Amino acid sequence: GENVEQHPSTLSVQEGDSAVIKCTYSDSASNYFPWYKQELGKRPQLIIDIRSNVGEKKDQRIAVTLNKTAKHFSLHITETQPEDSAVYFCAASPLNTDKLIFGTGTRLQVFP
Amino acid sequence: EAEVAQSPRYKITEKSQAVAFWCDPISGHATLYWYRQILGQGPELLVQFQDESVVDDSQLPKDRFSAERLKGVDSTLKIQPAELGDSAMYLCASSFAVGRNNEQFFGPGTRLTVL
Repeated sequence: GENVEQHPSTLSVQEGDSAVIKCTYSDSASNYFPWYKQELGKRPQLIIDIRSNVGEKKDQRIAVTLNKTAKHFSLHITETQPEDSAVYFCAASPLNTDKLIFGTGTRLQVFP
Repeated sequence: EAEVAQSPRYKITEKSQAVAFWCDPISGHATLYWYRQILGQGPELLVQFQDESVVDDSQLPKDRFSAERLKGVDSTLKIQPAELGDSAMYLCASSFAVGRNNEQFFGPGTRLTVL
């Protein structure tokens, strides 16, 4: 079955710097890759997603890139702000399912 | 804005006891998911419903866990008997339809502690 690995497990950046979180997946047939943000004590919320027919997607300060050949995708946050501090999870959805296989999460801390 | 509701938010129980969690998805969402999130890990799917039918329960420990969604709306997840290793956050999520990778909306979760 699908397996998703996520790195790094923790990431500390200065406010205004960029942050990059990387994930790899094992099932080449997976076709949907969402990113969720989970603030302390709160529910996970979708922040951006990408489908396998697209290489890059951007929404204001966040962007996601997908490399199907290498089976990895990355989250890029530019001009980080303290409110970006949270745990970020990547996920992959195997073909013809709605199942999400999550990575282990990255705790991002943005210092003012 | 409509949200997924879950109760209770916190549950402390002793091992070998029975526990039950309740989830009310966003109105009109046909697909409902139960996830288990162990501290420091990502959510792991336990069971997926399409209306009242189970679509995927391959990761549900069926000797002690059961889930139902009798009328295709709200859902209950039960553990009997609870074990120490069941301590985790139990998240419910819902999405509009099946087979289209729609956004999954998560509830606030039930944090279970088994003593």
